[in-house]
Amino acid sequence: DAKTTQPPSMDCAEGRAANLPCNHSTISGNEYVYWYRQIHSQGPQYIIHGLKNNETNEMASLIITEDRKSSTLILPHATLRDTAVYYCIVDLYNQGGKLIFGQGTELSVKP
Amino acid sequence: GAVVSQHPSWVICKSGTSVKIECRSLDFQATTMFWYRQFPKQSLMLMATSNEGSKATYEQGVEKDKFLINHASLTLSTLTVTSAHPEDSSFYICSARKPGLRGLQETQYFGPGTRLLVL
Repeated sequence: DAKTTQPPSMDCAEGRAANLPCNHSTISGNEYVYWYRQIHSQGPQYIIHGLKNNETNEMASLIITEDRKSSTLILPHATLRDTAVYYCIVDLYNQGGKLIFGQGTELSVKP
Repeated sequence: GAVVSQHPSWVICKSGTSVKIECRSLDFQATTMFWYRQFPKQSLMLMATSNEGSKATYEQGVEKDKFLINHASLTLSTLTVTSAHPEDSSFYICSARKPGLRGLQETQYFGPGTRLLVL
């Protein structure tokens, strides 16, 4: 079973920041949090990952709470092309790095 | 990032035939690859872990004799759906673990998927 819970859907206005929450209250100390997104009929696209520090790359920022029980993916200026299903996944480090996908959050960016 | 390809991108076959899907890591070597399938409006379901040079590890409920996996090189894993039936119609996606630089965490990169339709 997935170790994360996410809201099933969210809306965001184009140009505004999209903040996608994720709960992972049973995460272990050496397990990373990964974010992927899947645009319809394509393979998942890697976005970002982190362990305990906040991370930023050209696509997004990842904010992880100090207790590591939750995180937020931030798309700073959402565009229509960011409409996708976003998956927050805990890397099962002790199981060969398997990624178990939950249901994700369906983000709709609206003009 | 990294590039993972799949071939074919879609395939239609008759019931009872076998279908082979290839997954290649194009710009890195991957000792571990994974195979998933996805039904419409559902999330990805992990089928098996493919390890270069050894037998694949299958998730509970996935028939190893039905879904044959071969990982003969560090850049290629294949999934063969044997004696395919209409219920095997699905979107099959592979991923490959790319080693991190200087001992950093590995990251999985996904292929574009293969859509299988069994008539």
